[in-house]
Amino acid sequence: GEDVEQSLFLSVREGDSSVINCTYTDSSSTYLYWYKQEPGAGLQLLTYIFSNMDMKQDQRLTVLLNKKDKHLSLRIADTQTGDSAIYFCAESSTNAGKSTFGDGTTLTVKP
Amino acid sequence: EAQVTQNPRYLITVTGKKLTVTCSQNMNHEYMSWYRQDPGLGLRQIYYSMNVEVTDKGDVPEGYKVSRKEKRNFPLILESPSPNQTSLYFCASSLQGTGRNGYTFGSGTRLTVV
Repeated sequence: GEDVEQSLFLSVREGDSSVINCTYTDSSSTYLYWYKQEPGAGLQLLTYIFSNMDMKQDQRLTVLLNKKDKHLSLRIADTQTGDSAIYFCAESSTNAGKSTFGDGTTLTVKP
Repeated sequence: EAQVTQNPRYLITVTGKKLTVTCSQNMNHEYMSWYRQDPGLGLRQIYYSMNVEVTDKGDVPEGYKVSRKEKRNFPLILESPSPNQTSLYFCASSLQGTGRNGYTFGSGTRLTVV
């Protein structure tokens, strides 16, 4: 079945850029998403990218999609301590009619 | 406010005592789903529902039941809870299961089975 993989941990210094990577296997993926989970809370949708796009920018967030390699990344510019959270990559396809989530990357931002 | 509401937020119960975790959404979403989150295992889907009276197994359905009698509600039932069902549970909903709006998640239910 579909699989989504991401590294488990990332640590950066405040003010640096963070890059969280994700790979997926479903070649029919239509939408790819990044969710953020803060401690004690549910997941919140941060951003999405449609499969025919290469890049999407939203303020400090940049999403890059390499459809050929099935690779998705989330770049957070000027990372702040409030960005410390778990970030989940997810994909969905019209065929499956539902999303598949990665295991989450725990981002730690050190002052 | 558009939201997914889960109750209770915290629950401690004993092995074998039936329990229900409720989930309700006010966005007229067709798709609803239950996940459990365990350290090191990410989010694992338990059951999902594409519409009223339509439910299907996810990746880890054993020991759980669901029902979808109305569009807004999707309760998760543990008929005979066991300690390995101690976990953080999330309900999520979506207009159609896929699309640019992704899923809306509830705040979670932390269940401990002793």
